[in-house]
Amino acid sequence: AQSVAQPEDQVNVAEGNPLTVKCTYSVSGNPYLFWYVQYPNRGLQFLLKYITGDNLVKGSYGFEAEFNKSQTSFHLKKPSALVSDSALYFCAVREDYKLSFGAGTTVTVRA
Amino acid sequence: TAGITQAPTSQILAAGRSMTLRCTQDMRHNAMYWYRQDLGLGLRLIHYSNTAGTTGKGEVPDGYSVSRANTDDFPLTLASAVPSQTSVYFCASSDSNTQNSPLHFGNGTRLTVT
Repeated sequence: AQSVAQPEDQVNVAEGNPLTVKCTYSVSGNPYLFWYVQYPNRGLQFLLKYITGDNLVKGSYGFEAEFNKSQTSFHLKKPSALVSDSALYFCAVREDYKLSFGAGTTVTVRA
Repeated sequence: TAGITQAPTSQILAAGRSMTLRCTQDMRHNAMYWYRQDLGLGLRLIHYSNTAGTTGKGEVPDGYSVSRANTDDFPLTLASAVPSQTSVYFCASSDSNTQNSPLHFGNGTRLTVT
């Protein structure tokens, strides 16, 4: 069975600084990995995905993620964080028809 | 573009009562899902449907039932609510059953069982 872990409950950064949200995964086959963001009182919004190919994946709102097979990681990154990036971020892995989520990381970007 | 519509937005329900959470999508997606979101646990899959007429159990199906009579609608029913079913419920869909399809989410239903 597939699973993901997000080791940090919270990440705090200053506006303009780099942002990294960590994720590690476990799957029996090829990994299909996703990042989602959730703003207060809203559903999850898709940011980016890794299926195959380049290890650096670019997504919405300036976010990117680096796939590392040897470390089974898929960390989300943004070179320069904005206050508006403050939200709850979820890593997810898909196997068959099911998408399994991590517990989420709350990102706070201070002005 | 509506995407996924969930109703109601929120509900307070007495324990032992039944309730159906509604979910409708206008994207003609084959696959639909119900998740519950609880603090510290992320999202957990309750039930899913790969296509109209079929359903399957997720991680936490007990106490819930679903039906998929057509492509657009995927209601979730609690036959006899218990306080542990207090949660935020999200409906989602994807445009195919392939593993690289992202899910599209509704805005959720906040349910409190007293």
